[in-house]
Amino acid sequence: DQQVKQNSPSLSVQEGRISILNCDYTNSMFDYFLWYKKYPAEGPTFLISISSIKDKNEDGRFTVFLNKSAKHLSLHIVPSQPGDSAVYFCAAPYSGAGSYQLTFGKGTKLSVIP
Amino acid sequence: GAGVSQSPSNKVTEKGKDVELRCDPISGHTALYWYRQSLGQGLEFLIYFQGNSAPDKSGLPSDRFSAERTGGSVSTLTIQRTQQEDSAVYLCASSLAGWGYTFGSGTRLTVV
Repeated sequence: DQQVKQNSPSLSVQEGRISILNCDYTNSMFDYFLWYKKYPAEGPTFLISISSIKDKNEDGRFTVFLNKSAKHLSLHIVPSQPGDSAVYFCAAPYSGAGSYQLTFGKGTKLSVIP
Repeated sequence: GAGVSQSPSNKVTEKGKDVELRCDPISGHTALYWYRQSLGQGLEFLIYFQGNSAPDKSGLPSDRFSAERTGGSVSTLTIQRTQQEDSAVYLCASSLAGWGYTFGSGTRLTVV
């Protein structure tokens, strides 16, 4: 049962335009969300996070929006650059017994076209 | 070292053989995680070590999978009697606290 869902496996965007990557979740107990970026043959790297007490968190060109009522979050990249081409994973902490494990979506492959 | 180191980077093995995957976490990081990513899937949690506490093995898919962490540092993930469905990228991550993971580059395991 996928608790974090990324329904778009891929996205293509022109350089300079906005990229919007979406993520839905089913567990209303999730109170913190993270986005990771992964290049081929490398491990995922942390990009940005958001706590459920906020509805927006911004870091440079990256902004994450959280809509708790819709159980939906999105990552906006403005302006998109070719170096942003990667797979982006949405993740939420699994509130198991003291374990900081993360539940990940399947990822969205972003291609930024020069 | 500066980052999380995993070896080998690639491993091809015959079905039924045992494999060992190694992870060298960042020095001083007390938490260590193993995840795997099968083709077209997200990262799937396998096991978590925190200091000297008993590991959280809740994600291990079968008793063919085991992991240990020696001296609070290096970890080895062992898969016995490998099956084709074990083919995946196995990722190790370490952290000092909470969800501040640093991932290694992974081991791509192919079972033929």
